[in-house]
Amino acid sequence: EAGVTQFPSHSVIEKGQTVTLRCDPISGHDNLYWYRRVMGKEIKFLLHFVKESKQDESGMPNNRFLAERTGGTYSTLKVQPAELEDSGVYFCASSQVPGSLYGYTFGSGTRLTVV
Amino acid sequence: DQQVKQNSPSLSVQEGRISILNCDYTNSMFDYFLWYKKYPAEGPTFLISISSIKDKNEDGRFTVFLNKSAKHLSLHIVPSQPGDSAVYFCAASASTGNQFYFGTGTSLTVIP
Repeated sequence: EAGVTQFPSHSVIEKGQTVTLRCDPISGHDNLYWYRRVMGKEIKFLLHFVKESKQDESGMPNNRFLAERTGGTYSTLKVQPAELEDSGVYFCASSQVPGSLYGYTFGSGTRLTVV
Repeated sequence: DQQVKQNSPSLSVQEGRISILNCDYTNSMFDYFLWYKKYPAEGPTFLISISSIKDKNEDGRFTVFLNKSAKHLSLHIVPSQPGDSAVYFCAASASTGNQFYFGTGTSLTVIP
């Protein structure tokens, strides 16, 4: 079984530019999550999809962030325009059941650096 | 405001000894607690979990203890091995919730 795949693994962009991160969850996982870790800090929730619907987007920092999940398969997270404080590692995760004792399967993350 | 705290950023232990990683939480609604292990350039990997109805869960060399009255949990690794060197994250969730709340991680180094 393929794991959660994230692309790109690294991205360096200038302040004010746009970046789109992509996540391919494990096939059959209806639940897809985005998390972010700013250097040295906790891994923080951004949002949760169930199939193509946003179940909870309470963690999205502001309206420069837009997440989509077309057809309930892969998801994209777009940052436009990027600011310096958006730098960090963005993790995607998926699960069959939300919030269980087995947690999620995480991807390897996209390291975003805004300069 | 952080609801899950790991106050030790790092820990070094000799191979074969016990590693004890600690985690505190503030939200009494949390009833699922997980530990994740993370190697550099990889995503966190699920290690072990415990629900609030238990105070101990064991899986091989890994044991998680939960003290609900103190809102504290700990992960014991016995015996520690060099391959255990990684960052360990504590995470908590309410069973009715959508998200896990993570700590800042503890970097464990097991010295051969």
